[in-house]
Amino acid sequence: RKEVEQDPGPFNVPEGATVAFNCTYSNSASQSFFWYRQDCRKEPKLLMSVYSSGNEDGRFTAQLNRASQYISLLIRDSKLSDSATYLCVSDRSNSGYALNFGKGTSLLVTP
Amino acid sequence: NAGVTQTPKFQVLKTGQSMTLQCAQDMNHEYMSWYRQDPGMGLRLIHYSVGAGITDQGEVPNGYNVSRSTTEDFPLRLLSAAPSQTSVYFCASSYSQWATDNEKLFFGSGTQLSVL
Repeated sequence: RKEVEQDPGPFNVPEGATVAFNCTYSNSASQSFFWYRQDCRKEPKLLMSVYSSGNEDGRFTAQLNRASQYISLLIRDSKLSDSATYLCVSDRSNSGYALNFGKGTSLLVTP
Repeated sequence: NAGVTQTPKFQVLKTGQSMTLQCAQDMNHEYMSWYRQDPGMGLRLIHYSVGAGITDQGEVPNGYNVSRSTTEDFPLRLLSAAPSQTSVYFCASSYSQWATDNEKLFFGSGTQLSVL
């Protein structure tokens, strides 16, 4: 079983819509969680870290539920430029900065 | 700062050939790592290093060697290329070796490798 599981999508949404991505992680000892964004044929880039208290960055809100080992990303007022693959990421715990990446969820925002 | 620089961007090899993928960073980062990304598989860790002279295996190390003689460079060597190594390779680095510090992981732009 992969350590981080997420729905690959694709999610096709109209501009202005709100869309939510979820992922689950299997290692209860993981301490750090992130959402990365990856554009086609480009390198992943950090979108935001995920905290238990929840965190918001403009139109993006990330949430962590440790009890359920569940991470979410909410995008409000979707823009065409939000079209990308979103990678859910956890640390490997006790292994330094080795990270577990989910396979990614593909988002396409249409006019 | 150039950030993380990977070369080459594209490479085609024949089965059995060897080659080195280069990775350099100019941010004085302690931590460097190599990932491969395959369709439907996500990114998988190959090898990583927490400082000069220190390397360790990741999830899929077989067929690859690494060394870290300087802080700046972390080359990935394919000893005898196989078609199964056809993939996109990403080098990444971070100031801290611990993800709990929430230090950002910087990625290079990737190397598309095809093994025929």
